[in-house]
Amino acid sequence: GQQLNQSPQSMFIQEGEDVSMNCTSSSIFNTWLWYKQDPGEGPVLLIALYKAGELTSNGRLTAQFGITRKDSFLNISASIPSDVGIYFCAGPPSISNFGNEKLTFGTGTRLTIIP
Amino acid sequence: EPEVTQTPSHQVTQMGQEVILRCVPISNHLYFYWYRQILGQKVEFLVSFYNNEISEKSEIFDDQFSVERPDGSNFTLKIRSTKLEDSAMYFCASRGGTSGTVRSDIQYFGAGTRLSVL
Repeated sequence: GQQLNQSPQSMFIQEGEDVSMNCTSSSIFNTWLWYKQDPGEGPVLLIALYKAGELTSNGRLTAQFGITRKDSFLNISASIPSDVGIYFCAGPPSISNFGNEKLTFGTGTRLTIIP
Repeated sequence: EPEVTQTPSHQVTQMGQEVILRCVPISNHLYFYWYRQILGQKVEFLVSFYNNEISEKSEIFDDQFSVERPDGSNFTLKIRSTKLEDSAMYFCASRGGTSGTVRSDIQYFGAGTRLSVL
């Protein structure tokens, strides 16, 4: 099956720092989604990307859909304490039944802010 | 904002017992999903459901698992005879709406049910 690998696996940063993480795939994705998961909660969608090369922002978050369609990155600027959590990239496989579109999730990047 | 609701938040059961995890998807959504997340691991797809039948299921979703939409609002996941390795967070998700701020192509997740099999 399609695999999504995220790096880094974990990050320890100070408040105010910028953060960059990425996601790579062994095969093409037509949609890239970035979710954040707080402890004990379900994934919450941050940004959705639909076209190769697309660059989209949501407040302090910026994500890009790689032109090869096999990668994506997420940047967070000026991190704050509530940014702590696990960030997952996800997407429906490029070959999937229309409308069903199960999501394949990445391995996750755990963000910790050091006081 | 509309949300997916899951109950209970934590379920503890003995190995071999049956459990039913409940979900109330976002109203007027058409596609429903169950995922699971073993502690410290990534979220894995279990099953998708549309038009009152399973659309797709993963290798994890074996004969011990079943899903049902009994009354038009609830969406349940049943594990017939739980095993230790079924211990995980189970997430329900739904997709497909056209009203307000809810996008039709995005899956919205519930907060999850933590299943602990002893």
